[in-house]
Amino acid sequence: SQTIHQWPATLVQPVGSPLSLECTVEGTSNPNLYWYRQAAGRGLQLLFYSVGIGQISSEVPQNLSASRPQDRQFILSSKKLLLSDSGFYLCAWSRRERDTQYFGPGTRLTVL
Amino acid sequence: AQKVTQAQTEISVVEKEDVTLDCVYETRDTTYYLFWYKQPPSGELVFLIRRNSFDEQNEISGRYSWNFQKSTSSFNFTITASQVVDSAVYFCALTPYNNNDMRFGAGTRLTVKP
Repeated sequence: SQTIHQWPATLVQPVGSPLSLECTVEGTSNPNLYWYRQAAGRGLQLLFYSVGIGQISSEVPQNLSASRPQDRQFILSSKKLLLSDSGFYLCAWSRRERDTQYFGPGTRLTVL
Repeated sequence: AQKVTQAQTEISVVEKEDVTLDCVYETRDTTYYLFWYKQPPSGELVFLIRRNSFDEQNEISGRYSWNFQKSTSSFNFTITASQVVDSAVYFCALTPYNNNDMRFGAGTRLTVKP
């Protein structure tokens, strides 16, 4: 069966510091991978998705970036965090486009 | 462009009551997929159902049922005999056939009181 991991689970960072969130999927190959952000009390916003290694599509212009160095690894980064980057970050995978997306446990990021 | 509207921000019911969560969507695509997810307090989104636009049959899974009405662009979710463990935020979502652009509604927070 497939499992998706995210770490860290919780992160508190000062404004201006860098960020690296990691997501890995097990039990499948060549998944589509997604990063979402959920601001407090709000819905999910798609940030990035990837259909393969090195292939990243950005949905929202921001100071965040994503990379996919390996088939089942998806990384969300920032060089300098802003207060507005605080939120709950969810990684998801699907077998292909428009398929059901399965979500990881999420990372709660607080920028102070 | 796609849009999903969940007009009910919060609903509170007493255990064993039935409750319906509304979802209305907008899309220009003729082929698309609709989803419901549950987000318990732990935060992880749990997949509940996926429905394609050509299948308007209602679906029942235990205490859960879904009513897809293409004529009114609605995909409502009913929980029968609600339980405290049903307390969560529920999201409706839509994705078109030809890309990865899944759009979520703002969510409905359901509280089931004992």
